[in-house]
Amino acid sequence: NAGVTQTPKFQVLKTGQSMTLQCAQDMNHNSMYWYRQDPGMGLRLIYYSASEGTTDKGEVPNGYNVSRLNKREFSLRLESAAPSQTSVYFCASRTRARNYEQYFGPGTRLTVT
Amino acid sequence: RKEVEQDPGPFNVPEGATVAFNCTYSNSASQSFFWYRQDCRKEPKLLMSVYSSGNEDGRFTAQLNRASQYISLLIRDSKLSDSATYLCVVSGVTGGGNKLTFGTGTQLKVEL
Repeated sequence: NAGVTQTPKFQVLKTGQSMTLQCAQDMNHNSMYWYRQDPGMGLRLIYYSASEGTTDKGEVPNGYNVSRLNKREFSLRLESAAPSQTSVYFCASRTRARNYEQYFGPGTRLTVT
Repeated sequence: RKEVEQDPGPFNVPEGATVAFNCTYSNSASQSFFWYRQDCRKEPKLLMSVYSSGNEDGRFTAQLNRASQYISLLIRDSKLSDSATYLCVVSGVTGGGNKLTFGTGTQLKVEL
């Protein structure tokens, strides 16, 4: 099993450009998450999807949209990138197991100039 | 007040030392607690869950004090490979406990 995969690993955008970050998991998990991690801020939840067909806002959703394409895939879209969106983006998934453990992808390092 | 607070460190310790980290959380209704480990420029990975009765996994011991709302992680006989950032994580109450809140992490450096 590959676990949680993310593409691309690195990306440089100019202000105003758009892009979609892809995430897929092969663990048959119901819930999926998008986080961003900035120095001194910890991981902050952008959006999550508790199950296929549902999405909800997290702590910092402004400037982002998501799509839960199917049970495996959860994408994050930046419609008009801003320098403040320079960050490391992590996708995660989890089962409905009681301990709520989340499994993370390797991350996407995004720079917006 | 942050929902989850940790001392950012760094904690610089010699190999073989015992080191302890604490973490406090603000929401008394929090349900589940974890320690994650994050290596430089890598994704976070679960180190261990934290149970009310305390739990141990090899050289690692985690404790939960619900009354005082803090969580601790003790690492005995530190190894060079233990050098990493340790994230304290608490499950959210909203959404049926569907969301995790992360501390900013405590950096550990184990030296020869």
